[in-house]
Amino acid sequence: GESVGLHLPTLSVQEGDNSIINCAYSNSASDYFIWYKQESGKGPQFIIDIRSNMDKRQGQRVTVLLNKTVKHLSLQIAATQPGDSAVYFCAENNNAGNMLTFGGGTRLMVKP
Amino acid sequence: EPEVTQTPSHQVTQMGQEVILRCVPISNHLYFYWYRQILGQKVEFLVSFYNNEISEKSEIFDDQFSVERPDGSNFTLKIRSTKLEDSAMYFCASTRSYTSGANVLTFGAGSRLTVL
Repeated sequence: GESVGLHLPTLSVQEGDNSIINCAYSNSASDYFIWYKQESGKGPQFIIDIRSNMDKRQGQRVTVLLNKTVKHLSLQIAATQPGDSAVYFCAENNNAGNMLTFGGGTRLMVKP
Repeated sequence: EPEVTQTPSHQVTQMGQEVILRCVPISNHLYFYWYRQILGQKVEFLVSFYNNEISEKSEIFDDQFSVERPDGSNFTLKIRSTKLEDSAMYFCASTRSYTSGANVLTFGAGSRLTVL
């Protein structure tokens, strides 16, 4: 079936470097995407979202890019900090319902 | 900042026993959800609830599962007869309004269920 998935299960970066976490989706009906961060022992925490009528959206230190042509979503974190260490999930929502479909998650490890 | 609170944080139960997981959504939120996450796997949708009834449910949410909003603040998930494969982290989530294709859910910290 159609699903949202991630390319890399683990990403290790040096503190201060930029991080890029990728996500591929296959449901062409998806029109809204969210990135969540999950720290150990906690629930998913909203980071940033983007609608399908946009290609890019920026937040504080984070940028989400959406490429609808290849059905690809990425999360860029600038100047990665130790506190950014977590598992990052992309999730999709579409007009068919009000549930989120999550991808498999990427663990980001920040080395000091 | 308002939070979704869940209890218990961890419950250990014997296979076949009934379990109730409790959630207090954010007070002005109207849409409530349960998700689960088996260890090391993705977060999976179970059920959504609005206006005192289920609005959507997944294939996982079979007859062993039920949800209830017994009062104005609590939102519960009941598993009638737990199985080993029900062991997972269960997340409650809520959102204030439903906008087609734009639902930012606020999640609780989760309840870890261990079925022995």
